[in-house]
Amino acid sequence: DTGVSQDPRHKITKRGQNVTFRCDPISEHNRLYWYRQTLGQGPEFLTYFQNEAQLEKSRLLSNRFSAERPKGSFSTLEIQRTEQGDSAMYLCASSPLRTDTQYFGPGTRLTVL
Amino acid sequence: QKEVEQNSGPLSVPEGAIASLNCTYSDRVSQSFFWYRQYSGKSPELIMSIYSNGDKEDGRFTAQLNKASQYVSLLIRDSQPSDSATYLCAVYEQFYFGTGTSLTVIP
Repeated sequence: DTGVSQDPRHKITKRGQNVTFRCDPISEHNRLYWYRQTLGQGPEFLTYFQNEAQLEKSRLLSNRFSAERPKGSFSTLEIQRTEQGDSAMYLCASSPLRTDTQYFGPGTRLTVL
Repeated sequence: QKEVEQNSGPLSVPEGAIASLNCTYSDRVSQSFFWYRQYSGKSPELIMSIYSNGDKEDGRFTAQLNKASQYVSLLIRDSQPSDSATYLCAVYEQFYFGTGTSLTVIP
């Protein structure tokens, strides 16, 4: 499978715990994006990388959220001190430099109890 | 005003009919527009992109863009029950997605 992959697919955690998600983009896609989606809403932009550089970060993103893409390949999204309001689907997408078209992974569904 | 607005629906059309989905956006400088389809519990999948004013056709799908009116639409011809999904409009430059329009195609 050469599409975007995400791990884990599902995560259940207790409030206050830290969680980390991983995204592997399509090979050779320079751009990588993280979104959050709740029921009945469209994806909400979190952050964007071009290679290893984090070029944009939503001002809606609290400082409990951090993302990295250390070698310009896979990326991780960490949420510290999770809250029930963090329960959502976390989507990763990637795109090559030559186009704006984003290809989405299957998502990680987070449930905070 | 939301950056990207869509009628949330639900929109119901009979099988074989044309489904028309609409989207407006607020930022005049936007250049890249996308339509995604999302089945319940799944991630968005790309239907098509459009960058220039006018129509762009791909199979049963036609995207229409009018930058002067800040309006993007998607027409689905010969609608099939498998087209039943939520359709998301997206503007690339601001990474904005609309809330989506739920479409049901009735056999």
